[in-house]
Amino acid sequence: QSALTQPPSVSGSPGQSVTISCTGTSRDIDSYNRVSWYQQPPGTAPKLILYEVNNRPSGVPDRFSGSKSGNTASLTISGLQVEDEADYYCTLYTTRSTWVFGGGTHLTVL
Amino acid sequence: EVQLVESGGAVVQPGGSLRLSCAASGFTLGDYTMHWVRQVPGKGLQWASLVTWDGFSRYYADSVKGRFTISRDSSKNSLYLHMNSLTTDDTAVYYCARENANWDAFDVWGQGTMVTVSS
Repeated sequence: QSALTQPPSVSGSPGQSVTISCTGTSRDIDSYNRVSWYQQPPGTAPKLILYEVNNRPSGVPDRFSGSKSGNTASLTISGLQVEDEADYYCTLYTTRSTWVFGGGTHLTVL
Repeated sequence: EVQLVESGGAVVQPGGSLRLSCAASGFTLGDYTMHWVRQVPGKGLQWASLVTWDGFSRYYADSVKGRFTISRDSSKNSLYLHMNSLTTDDTAVYYCARENANWDAFDVWGQGTMVTVSS
């Protein structure tokens, strides 16, 4: 059982916005300020899309944004596009010097 | 171009051993903390192991501790995962990933290599 809980699936229509949550359930989580998010289209390797809550690596569209409140981090994708359909994962560093991933959320763009 | 390329995946019998390799190019592997992350087909990502940039520390997920060993060879700019006592639960795609210490995130990923544990 993952120490980070994500909804199994979310969906939205092109142009709409969706939000994916990532809630920590373990005291082992070091700091929610260090949450990062990854996008994994089918059959491909994960790709970093947000780090330290709301920072985007070069090349990631500003349609992707993040936030944090208490032990819950959130990824918001605005102006949904068909190519956004993928699995999304959050991850955090733990106090035991290990890392943990959320269970993943499948985004369907209807 | 910064790149990670995994190799070594195979079909192995339960109880067997395997060594995965991850060749880095475009950067010096020894300057970074490196990780192995695995993914059972159709399931989520699972962090498996890391070796710190200085090579002094290694950490493992409980599910692989005592059976897997992470190592690296600076002369070959490569990362390895030595896997022993394999079980069917270890069947997965194995990715190596680079940790960006300034970002606390995995900024470079390989394409993955498939390990199948089956009799």
